[in-house]
Amino acid sequence: AQSVAQPEDQVNVAEGNPLTVKCTYSVSGNPYLFWYVQYPNRGLQFLLKYITGDNLVKGSYGFEAEFNKSQTSFHLKKPSALVSDSALYFCAVRDKNNNAGNMLTFGGGTRLMVKP
Amino acid sequence: DAGVIQSPRHEVTEMGQEVTLRCKPISGHNSLFWYRQTMMRGLELLIYFNNNVPIDDSGMPEDRFSAKMPNASFSTLKIQPSEPRDSAVYFCASSSGLPNEQFFGPGTRLTVL
Repeated sequence: AQSVAQPEDQVNVAEGNPLTVKCTYSVSGNPYLFWYVQYPNRGLQFLLKYITGDNLVKGSYGFEAEFNKSQTSFHLKKPSALVSDSALYFCAVRDKNNNAGNMLTFGGGTRLMVKP
Repeated sequence: DAGVIQSPRHEVTEMGQEVTLRCKPISGHNSLFWYRQTMMRGLELLIYFNNNVPIDDSGMPEDRFSAKMPNASFSTLKIQPSEPRDSAVYFCASSSGLPNEQFFGPGTRLTVL
């Protein structure tokens, strides 16, 4: 079975400060990991993914995430937050060894609020 | 590429009516997913197709929901009869397969009165 947890329903940060949105996962094998962002009244938009290789993954809009196998985490980070980063963020996982198809398991989402 | 196309964008209907949501995936993608998003339950996977074949429909809430994919460029999600608790935003997504990401459509906001 595969699962993902986003322990924070909401994260508040001041503009210009660094931000972190947390994600932990559970798989029986090795994971594919993804981050998506959803702006109001829009569909989910892909930000970045970890497949293999370098544990630090860089994505769109200055976001990055670090894969930590020992802590089974894939936290999303950005060095300096913008008000326009305010949105709903979803982490998703897929066990590489899962032969049940291409389904991803999504977390419950974390609302990021960046205040001026 | 226009991305994943969904129609209608908004649907308001009365309880008991049939509702059909439509999706056109990105050309060349062989996997298609239907999701439902509500405040209470978050994002739920309803059904997933691979090469036009339903692979996993365990997320379909009940027999009132059905989905088809008659060809690689079109899928429908039907609710018959609709109920107020079906009110949600329904997303379609497509993918060319792992490890590639899923691309989401803009969603259909369904309101059942």
